[in-house]
This record gives sequence, C-alpha cells and structure tokens, in this order.
Amino acid sequence: AQTVTQSQPEMSVQEAETVTLSCTYDTSESDYYLFWYKQPPSRQMILVIRQEAYKQQNATENRFSVNFQKAAKSFSLKISDSQLGDAAMYFCAYSGAGGGADGLTFGKGTHLIIQP
Amino acid sequence: DSGVTQTPKHLITATGQRVTLRCSPRSGDLSVYWYQQSLDQGLQFLIHYYNGEERAKGNILERFSAQQFPDLHSELNLSSLELGDSALYFCASSVALEPYTEAFFGQGTRLTVV
Repeated sequence: AQTVTQSQPEMSVQEAETVTLSCTYDTSESDYYLFWYKQPPSRQMILVIRQEAYKQQNATENRFSVNFQKAAKSFSLKISDSQLGDAAMYFCAYSGAGGGADGLTFGKGTHLIIQP
Repeated sequence: DSGVTQTPKHLITATGQRVTLRCSPRSGDLSVYWYQQSLDQGLQFLIHYYNGEERAKGNILERFSAQQFPDLHSELNLSSLELGDSALYFCASSVALEPYTEAFFGQGTRLTVV
C-alpha cells in the first residue's frame, strides 16, 4: 500500500518570505501522480499543484512550485512571496496511474502559519 | 465555489442513529469520491462511484454504505453511529474515472455523534 508522510506538523513563515513544505511517499508503482492540496479555515480542499511522475520537469503554478525527486520519493512544495491568504493546512497526496480507481492517499498535513 | 454541493453542512446526532449525507457533483462530472477527515485518522478515502457504479472501496466500515443515483448525485449512509464516527465527510467529483484526474471537493459535512 502507498503511504504519504509529512514530517512537519506546523511551519511558520514571515509574510513575503519563502517556505518549503516537505513530503515523502512510498510506492512500488512506476507511474503515479502527486498533489498538494490546501485546506483554509473554510475547510474546503483546494488543489494547489499536480505533478506527473513520468515528467522530469517540476510543476509550477505562479508562486507555488515543487521539487520532485523521484529516486528519493520526495515531493516538496515551495511557496514564494508568502501571503496572509496562504495560511492553511497543506496536504500532500498520491494517486496511482496504473488503472485502479482508488481515491487519493493523503499525508497528515502541515499547518502553515503566516506571520505579518 | 467548487461546484460540488454537500448537504447538510452540519449534523449532530446520537449514538446508534443513522444519517444520510448528500453530495451533488459538478455538472458533467461522473466520478464521486467520499472521504472522511478525522483528527486521529486524517483524510481517508472511503469509496468511489463512477456513473452509478461502485468502482473502488477504501477504509469504509461495514456500517457505512453509499450509492450514486441516475442523476449522478450520491449519498453516504452511516448507521449504528459511534462517537468515533464524528468527523468531517467530504465528497469530491471529477469528470473521468481515473483518480489522478483533478477532483473538486465540496465543503464537507461536519458530523458530530453525541
């Protein structure tokens, strides 16, 4: 079974600074997808960024980028120029691409605090 | 607004009771996923329906069941409720069968069992 580990229960960063959230995963599959979801106090899960394992290039969405290290099974999220609205829980998630229909496997989450 | 509607937003019920949570997916989405979010277990996948058929089961208890209707809305039925069933229940919808397709989450139903 796949597992996703987020080792940082909480992170704090000053507004306008850069922060990196860590995620490691374990899988025996060669093809898969990785995600970062944001859950603000409104509690709705919002997709931040998605990475396909067979793509070498790291995904980027505006101020959000990932560092995907396939051999190390690591998938970190970098948030540049942090804004107050980035304060939320961030979840790393995994999905296989081998034809199964299981839902996402999530990590336990990292609570990101933005200091003004 | 994700376009996924869950009702009710909050539900308080007693142990031993049965409740039904409802999910209306985004227009055109055929897949509906149910997840449970609790403090101790985190976010767990429960079950996946695609176009009316069950496609995958995760950590869903036998006391829980779900279905997807012809109009594609889905219901999650929780019975013989226990205190430990208190959690936030999400549904998510996507257009395709594959779970790596972008999924849109509803705002969840907060279930409190007393």
